[in-house]
Amino acid sequence: DTGVSQDPRHKITKRGQNVTFRCDPISEHNRLYWYRQTLGQGPEFLTYFQNEAQLEKSRLLSDRFSAERPKGSFSTLEIQRTEQGDSAMYLCASSFMDFTDTQYFGPGTRLTVL
Amino acid sequence: AQKITQTQPGMFVQEKEAVTLDCTYDTSDPSYGLFWYKQPSSGEMIFLIYQGSYDQQNATEGRYSLNFQKARKSANLVISASQLGDSAMYFCAMREVAAGNKLTFGGGTRVLVKP
Repeated sequence: DTGVSQDPRHKITKRGQNVTFRCDPISEHNRLYWYRQTLGQGPEFLTYFQNEAQLEKSRLLSDRFSAERPKGSFSTLEIQRTEQGDSAMYLCASSFMDFTDTQYFGPGTRLTVL
Repeated sequence: AQKITQTQPGMFVQEKEAVTLDCTYDTSDPSYGLFWYKQPSSGEMIFLIYQGSYDQQNATEGRYSLNFQKARKSANLVISASQLGDSAMYFCAMREVAAGNKLTFGGGTRVLVKP
């Protein structure tokens, strides 16, 4: 049983560039989540999908951020016109819609905006 | 108000001893879940243990146990027989059913196990 995978693991970009991250959830999980974690803080919720439907977005998710899960499997998170404040770890998690709905996390993508 | 509060930014524990990590939460939702995650320096969040608001008994998973005091709104994690590999950040998180499925995390506690 493979876990959640994320690609790339690290991304360095210049301010103003667009970046895209990919997340592959655990295969039988129908829920997928994105979180952002800055240094020394706990993760903050960004958005979540149930199958292909995006059901909730945080106010943290500005217009420069967009997420998709086109076929209810993998998901992408795109950040347009990156800013230095976007530098963070972007974590993806998935869960199976059961009683506990436990979220299992991937290794994260660390973004550095220069 | 903070939804999840972890008051211990860091702590040392001697190998083979037990350690308790504090977590208090704030919610008016009668249906919620509490989770503990471990985050080693590699960055991956590792699920440790779950406690539901309606669970009558404290959750246990191997060396991890959760001291759930509902009236006090606390959900402390106890790690027994600490090992060097337990050195990591530990996060308490809550999922409120009425607020959707997102997790709200505390600020974390860094644990360093000394040999």
